[in-house]
Amino acid sequence: GPKVLQIPSHQIIDMGQMVTLNCDPVSNHLYFYWYKQILGQQMEFLVNFYNGKVMEKSKLFKDQFSVERPDGSYFTLKIQPTALEDSAVYFCASSLALRDWGGNTLYFGAGTRLSVL
Amino acid sequence: QQKVQQSPESLSVPEGGMASLNCTSSDRNFQYFWWYRQHSGEGPKALMSIFSDGDKKEGRFTAHLNKASLHVSLHIRDSQPSDSALYFCAASEQWSNYNVLYFGSGTKLTVEP
Repeated sequence: GPKVLQIPSHQIIDMGQMVTLNCDPVSNHLYFYWYKQILGQQMEFLVNFYNGKVMEKSKLFKDQFSVERPDGSYFTLKIQPTALEDSAVYFCASSLALRDWGGNTLYFGAGTRLSVL
Repeated sequence: QQKVQQSPESLSVPEGGMASLNCTSSDRNFQYFWWYRQHSGEGPKALMSIFSDGDKKEGRFTAHLNKASLHVSLHIRDSQPSDSALYFCAASEQWSNYNVLYFGSGTKLTVEP
């Protein structure tokens, strides 16, 4: 089936540094998402992105966060500067379309585990 | 407070048995529900969606939705060891345009050979 690739699988950085998480979405998908999962808790929506713009973001999407997808390459999540509470697994997802009454499907990557020391 | 609650936290069934997972929403705006499954080391993968009251069957999997009580369940018939995984319930609001999904904390299913 369609696959979303996330690079790297694990990233360890010092607090205050910048980090970029990369996502290679399904090739013909148009909508892109980031979710955050702290160990033992549920996945929480961060942001979604379409046509070069953030469409919706949650309170978790702090000012230190930014997303972009330059020239159809990787969809990235950048955190600058990082904080201890940013340690989590970050999941990227993509979808072909928005709601279609048959049920749109989000395809998730395997996640990037970010450890901020 | 979590908007989507799942129970039980973990569940163990014998191979060939029936597994039943539950999900309840506390937000009456939620009208659309999904079940996702996540195997260890992988990302969540959509199993099925349900938007209307009643049952929806796909192979060995049956989802049931009761919109009045905001309760959705997933039943896995003839459970297989390969069904062992973390199962997430996810919901979105009726008027959300951008597919923002709210996830539960998951149910860990173990199917014992």
